[in-house]
Order: sequence, then structure tokens, then C-alpha cells
Amino acid sequence: GQNIDQPTEMTATEGAIVQINCTYQTSGFNGLFWYQQHAGEAPTFLSYNVLDGLEEKGRFSSFLSRSKGYSYLLLKELQMKDSASYLCAVRDAYSGAGSYQLTFGKGTKLSVIP
Amino acid sequence: SAVISQKPSRDICQRGTSLTIQCQVDSQVTMMFWYRQQPGQSLTLIATANQGSEATYESGFVIDKFPISRPNLTFSTLTVSNMSPEDSSIYLCSVAGAEGPHTGELFFGEGSRLTVL
Repeated sequence: GQNIDQPTEMTATEGAIVQINCTYQTSGFNGLFWYQQHAGEAPTFLSYNVLDGLEEKGRFSSFLSRSKGYSYLLLKELQMKDSASYLCAVRDAYSGAGSYQLTFGKGTKLSVIP
Repeated sequence: SAVISQKPSRDICQRGTSLTIQCQVDSQVTMMFWYRQQPGQSLTLIATANQGSEATYESGFVIDKFPISRPNLTFSTLTVSNMSPEDSSIYLCSVAGAEGPHTGELFFGEGSRLTVL
């Protein structure tokens, strides 16, 4: 089984940097994903980590430590449009249907204020 | 990327009735999934829709309650049967990205928001 923890809510100021943490306890591991979900919209893919280290993609970066069961999503130069929920998801290496089954955390609702 | 269309986008249903949600993808995809997102909760996988065979259900979900069809590689339906207020949720269709299993990227439809009275 999987257990994924992330903060429920965070608030940050426009232009600042914010780090959203995610910890997981899993029976298997084959990748960690971050998704962004604006209110009333579908989740959209942000990043994927399967090896330890930092993956950078523009203003967004994601870090993974497999030994610690820990990841974070770093958002730089925050903009008002970054206000959304950020979902951490883990892919179990032993998924019955193959490689695509993800277990999602409850999401972190980020509010960006002026 | 894949473009996924779901309908209805929202509906209000009476207790005891059933509703079928349709998911249409603009390209052929092998893996198609149905998720549920209850209020204040994260996404929970209901089942994997398999083309040409019965869907694979996750623990806590059964075919009698959530029958799924997958007649071809671009279309699937999810029926929520004998609905109760606890079934009020957003139901999302999802497909795997073209990059294949190594990234595991999922694309989601806009979701179908069901309210059961």
C-alpha cells in the first residue's frame, strides 16, 4: 500500500519562492509525480522524478530522495496564476495493471497573495 | 499530449438512479483510467478500462456499482449505478501519455461533477 503526506494549505507572496513537501511510505516505488490542479479544472502534469536529485523545468523544480521517502516541489518567482492545488503522486512498482497506476496525496492548496 | 472530452461535465441526480459518463480521446490510447475525486480529497483510482476485456477494479470498487465499457481505443464509459449522496464526486477519465511507461505522465479530462440528492 501507499501513504502520501503533504501539507493541506500554504500561502506565499507574489514574486517569492515556495517549497511544497511530500513524504511517502510505499511498498514499492517506480517514480514520483507532481500535478497542478486549478479549482474546477483537470490536473495537469508538472514533473516526474525516478532518480534522486533535482529536476528543473523553468520556474518549477522537483526534488526526490528515495532513501528518505521525500520529495519537494519548488516554485520560484510566484505568480498569481500559480494559486492552485499541487498533488504529489507515487507510482507503485508492483501495480497490477502495469506502469501507469498512480496513488495521489490529498494535495496542497497554494494561495499566492499580492 | 492527448485531448480528452468528457460528458456530462456536471449533473444533478436523484438517489437510486444511474448515470453514464462518456470519455472520448482524440487519439488511440492503450491505457485508460477512471478516477474519483471526492470533496476535499485527492484522486482515487476506480479502475483501469481495458479494451476488449473486463475492466480491472481497485480495492473498494466493484463492477456492479461502476460498470465500465471500453469498445475501442478512443472511447470509454463509466456508469455510476444506484447512486446515493456518497457518490457525489468528480469523476475523471485519464489516459497515459505517448511517451510510454517511462514517464508515466497522465492526461486528464475536465471531469464530470455529479451531485446526488
